[in-house]
Amino acid sequence: ELKVEQNPLFLSMQEGKNYTIYCNYSTTSDRLYWYRQDPGKSLESLFVLLSNGAVKQEGRLMASLDTKARLSTLHITAAVHDLSATYFCAVEYYGGSQGNLIFGKGTKLSVKP
Amino acid sequence: GAGVSQSPSNKVTEKGKDVELRCDPISGHTALYWYRQSLGQGLEFLIYFQGNSAPDKSGLPSDRFSAERTGGSVSTLTIQRTQQEDSAVYLCASSPHEGRRNEQFFGPGTRLTVL
Repeated sequence: ELKVEQNPLFLSMQEGKNYTIYCNYSTTSDRLYWYRQDPGKSLESLFVLLSNGAVKQEGRLMASLDTKARLSTLHITAAVHDLSATYFCAVEYYGGSQGNLIFGKGTKLSVKP
Repeated sequence: GAGVSQSPSNKVTEKGKDVELRCDPISGHTALYWYRQSLGQGLEFLIYFQGNSAPDKSGLPSDRFSAERTGGSVSTLTIQRTQQEDSAVYLCASSPHEGRRNEQFFGPGTRLTVL
């Protein structure tokens, strides 16, 4: 079955700093999704990456997908407190028994002044 | 409404009681999913419906859990004889499941507390 690993699982950043969250997966897939979850809230779709080399940007967040390396990154530029949330990557995969979006465990991001 | 809706938003029940959780997907979405999320944890897949196909029930943790989807739209997740370990947020998502884009759109969740 497909395994999806995110790291780090916890990230404490200072405002203004840059950082990258990594999402590795174990089996071939060329579609990957990033979601954001605020405390006590549901998941909100952030990025949809549908092919190798796909890059999407929204504000201070940029996501990319390298299907050959089985790796997606979520890069945070000049972090602000509003970005504090948990970020999940999810890989589309039809070969297992886990539904067709396999989620990572999430990265809890805390941005401090 | 435009999004996925779930009801109730909160449910408190006593151990041993049965509960039903409801999900209304986005109109026209053929795929519907149920997940469970315990406090501070990731998502645990429960069950997946796609069109008229037999559901993928491989994630249901025990035979106390069941789900149905009537008319290809509304879904109900039923937990019989609830246990304290069933306490969690139950999330429903729907997807258009068309072409190359199968993004899931999540509802607000039902927070279940079993006393």
